[in-house]
Amino acid sequence: SSELTQDPAVSVALGQTVRISCQGDSLRKYFPSWYQQKPGQAPRLVMFGKNSRPPGIPDRFVGSDTGNTAYLTVTGAQAGDEADYYCYCRDSDGDHRIFGGGTRLTVL
Amino acid sequence: EMKLVESGGGVVQPGGSLRLACTASGITVSLNHMTWVRQAPGEGLEWLSTIYSGGNIYYGASVKDRFIVSRDNSKNIVYLQMNSLRANDTAVYFCARDGFCRGGACMDVWGQGTTVTVSS
Repeated sequence: SSELTQDPAVSVALGQTVRISCQGDSLRKYFPSWYQQKPGQAPRLVMFGKNSRPPGIPDRFVGSDTGNTAYLTVTGAQAGDEADYYCYCRDSDGDHRIFGGGTRLTVL
Repeated sequence: EMKLVESGGGVVQPGGSLRLACTASGITVSLNHMTWVRQAPGEGLEWLSTIYSGGNIYYGASVKDRFIVSRDNSKNIVYLQMNSLRANDTAVYFCARDGFCRGGACMDVWGQGTTVTVSS
């Protein structure tokens, strides 16, 4: 099965821009989705497809990809963006799924 | 309003069994792909299983042959039968509805989770 690799932690100054990465072979074939999770809460979908946001997710969240790496960019980071972020994708066979290990975003 | 509510969590001894339920409202489970995800204490998210609307079911390697997913269309519930439980199955278990995400996979509605503790 495939793997999705994320940096364990990133930080960003308030109001600045940060890019969270997710690397894996299955990303060459499938778009990932991204989830924001705050302590004690269920994950929340923030990005899917090439660059699509569910209702209620601000356009400060932007998805992109190149080759085997996908990115979630957060512009104008706010204190409320501080959370764990997970990428998720179909495995190479298309039916199984995999999560990245998660990235903890700290807003300074 | 679309809502998922997990239930059935609790404390179970190693080697024991437990059945979790995911009760849906505003979502017809038989018409959607439904997924189970878990999160061990202090750890990341782990995909466990997806039951497709057509009935096919796929499992992650760590639970294959021990966990069984089923659904009751009349009750609009998806179940996760967990057998031969181990200490490292201790986690919060979430169910989620697969969204319509062209070219990939996504989960757009999540339950609040139910906690399973495997301990003697």
